[in-house]
Amino acid sequence: QSVLTQPPSVSGAPGQRVTISCTGSSSNIGADYDVHWYQQLPGTAPKLLIYGSSHRPSGVPDRFSGSKSGTSASLAITGLQAEDEADYYCQSYDNSLSDYVVFGGGTKLTVL
Amino acid sequence: QVQLVQSGAEMKKPGASVKVSCKASGYTFTGHYIHWVRQAPGQGLEWMGWTNVNSGGTKYAQTFQGRVTMTRDTSISTAYMELSTLKYDDTAVYYCARDSSTWGNVDYWGQGTLVTVSS
Repeated sequence: QSVLTQPPSVSGAPGQRVTISCTGSSSNIGADYDVHWYQQLPGTAPKLLIYGSSHRPSGVPDRFSGSKSGTSASLAITGLQAEDEADYYCQSYDNSLSDYVVFGGGTKLTVL
Repeated sequence: QVQLVQSGAEMKKPGASVKVSCKASGYTFTGHYIHWVRQAPGQGLEWMGWTNVNSGGTKYAQTFQGRVTMTRDTSISTAYMELSTLKYDDTAVYYCARDSSTWGNVDYWGQGTLVTVSS
């Protein structure tokens, strides 16, 4: 059971907008720790997608955006493309456990 | 450019130990922590711990306390993760990853090392 909760799967048609939620608690996201998002394409290492809750590294399309509010965060993908089909993970810190760095369980995005 | 290159796949018997290496290049090795993250087949990412590459200090996830040792050799810009008393469910891809040192995220990942535990 992951400390950060994500939906197991989401789907959308090309061109549509999808969001992936990441729900935490007062000891992680709610403690004002930043949330980061990673994209993992099949058979590859994860890649940084969003850092500091809402910042995009250079090279990441502006179709990807992140936000955070209270004990939750969200990743939004607009103008969905076939190449976006991947697993997405959120990550934050937690001050209640010795597992200082925590990941969400991951969300499989399917482009219909 | 920043690169983290890991050692090759390993096959181990239950009870054995495995040591995975992660050679860094393209940046000042001592300027960033190195995390280790594993991913069992078909499963999500699991944080194992980190090494403060500058001081050698470590922090391990509770799950791995007593079984994992993370070290580094700054002379060759290489970090290591050793996991002992291997069990079948330690079969996973093990990643090293560089901490950004600013926002608390990982910004670069190694290619992963598959460790298979099988009798």
